[in-house]
Amino acid sequence: NAGVTQTPKFQVLKTGQSMTLQCAQDMNHNSMYWYRQDPGMGLRLIYYSASEGTTDKGEVPNGYNVSRLNKREFSLRLESAAPSQTSVYFCAGSSQMNTEAFFGQGTRLTVV
Amino acid sequence: GENVEQHPSTLSVQEGDSAVIKCTYSDSASNYFPWYKQELGKGPQLIIDIRSNVGEKKDQRIAVTLNKTAKHFSLHITETQPEDSAVYFCAARITNTGNQFYFGTGTSLTVIP
Repeated sequence: NAGVTQTPKFQVLKTGQSMTLQCAQDMNHNSMYWYRQDPGMGLRLIYYSASEGTTDKGEVPNGYNVSRLNKREFSLRLESAAPSQTSVYFCAGSSQMNTEAFFGQGTRLTVV
Repeated sequence: GENVEQHPSTLSVQEGDSAVIKCTYSDSASNYFPWYKQELGKGPQLIIDIRSNVGEKKDQRIAVTLNKTAKHFSLHITETQPEDSAVYFCAARITNTGNQFYFGTGTSLTVIP
């Protein structure tokens, strides 16, 4: 089992460019999440998908869109990247039972 | 929504001493409380968790306590070792509101050899 896999691991974008961060899990999770991590601010939820076919906004959704393509895959799209979106992005998955979230290794995104 | 506060933000201890990290939460509907350890350049990994029907849980040198009345929970690490140096996050989960996890802002623990 690979667990939760994110691609790419590193990315540099110019302001205004678009890109999609990919996330796939092979743990049969119903729920999937996208977080961003900035110094001193912990993990902030961008979007989540409680189950296949549903997506909801989290704490900081502006400037992002998501797609729950199927049960395994949950992608995060930046339509027009801004320097404020420079961050480390984590995807996570969890079952709907009372269990933990499993995290990917992160994508370090720099917008210049 | 839920609000999780975590203290302290940084903590330095001598090797062999104990470390305690505290978190509070606001929503009494929260019923699952995991603790994560994040090493440099990696994603957070679960080290211990506790459910709302339990007051304390221990796993070797790590323990977590939960006080539902006061809405706070704590991580205790005994006999600290240099490899315990990392960032630790507490979280709270409410399983009837989309299964969201609400994270604290993290504690950077340094164990001095």
